[in-house]
Amino acid sequence: GAVVSQHPSWVICKSGTSVKIECRSLDFQATTMFWYRQFPKQSLMLMATSNEGSKATYEQGVEKDKFLINHASLTLSTLTVTSAHPEDSSFYICSAYPGEETQYFGPGTRLLVL
Amino acid sequence: GEDVEQSLFLSVREGDSSVINCTYTDSSSTYLYWYKQEPGAGLQLLTYIFSNMDMKQDQRLTVLLNKKDKHLSLRIADTQTGDSAIYFCAYFRGYIPTFGRGTSLIVHP
Repeated sequence: GAVVSQHPSWVICKSGTSVKIECRSLDFQATTMFWYRQFPKQSLMLMATSNEGSKATYEQGVEKDKFLINHASLTLSTLTVTSAHPEDSSFYICSAYPGEETQYFGPGTRLLVL
Repeated sequence: GEDVEQSLFLSVREGDSSVINCTYTDSSSTYLYWYKQEPGAGLQLLTYIFSNMDMKQDQRLTVLLNKKDKHLSLRIADTQTGDSAIYFCAYFRGYIPTFGRGTSLIVHP
């Protein structure tokens, strides 16, 4: 089946630093990639939708200057959490959509901001 | 209420059947999905059902759909400890999913 990877799988950083998370579709091209945030014991919250070569569409309440998304190719999207603070600590999951059927999810990146 | 509702916990004995229920509000989705999330991992697509079907069986998994009542269920036969995870029900508007909050399945010996 389709495989999506995320890197890193976990990251610890100091408050005020920026963190970049990569999402790659390994064996298919993704016309669209999605970024989700998941709090403990909660469902996934869609943060933004990104199409290759265009600006991401952010969900209401998600700061686009805080969560920078770049979708440079059909197999790679990056999420940069800028000037991270402890409240940004969360589990970030990406998914990739090949244009039919369903999305395929990455394994997630756990971010801890100290 | 929420767009997709699921009970938060289900505890079963190993070898028994598990039934995870879900109700949803939007009946326009072509497919309805079940995802599995193991601790610290992303979501794994388990199975899905076309909205015009009322049942789909896939090995130990049986999905039942009652479109009139907007009720979806996932039955896992002969539940094993490896089935312990959080199970999410989801539907799509276009390609944007709406997830339930997930049901934590706990399998005990």
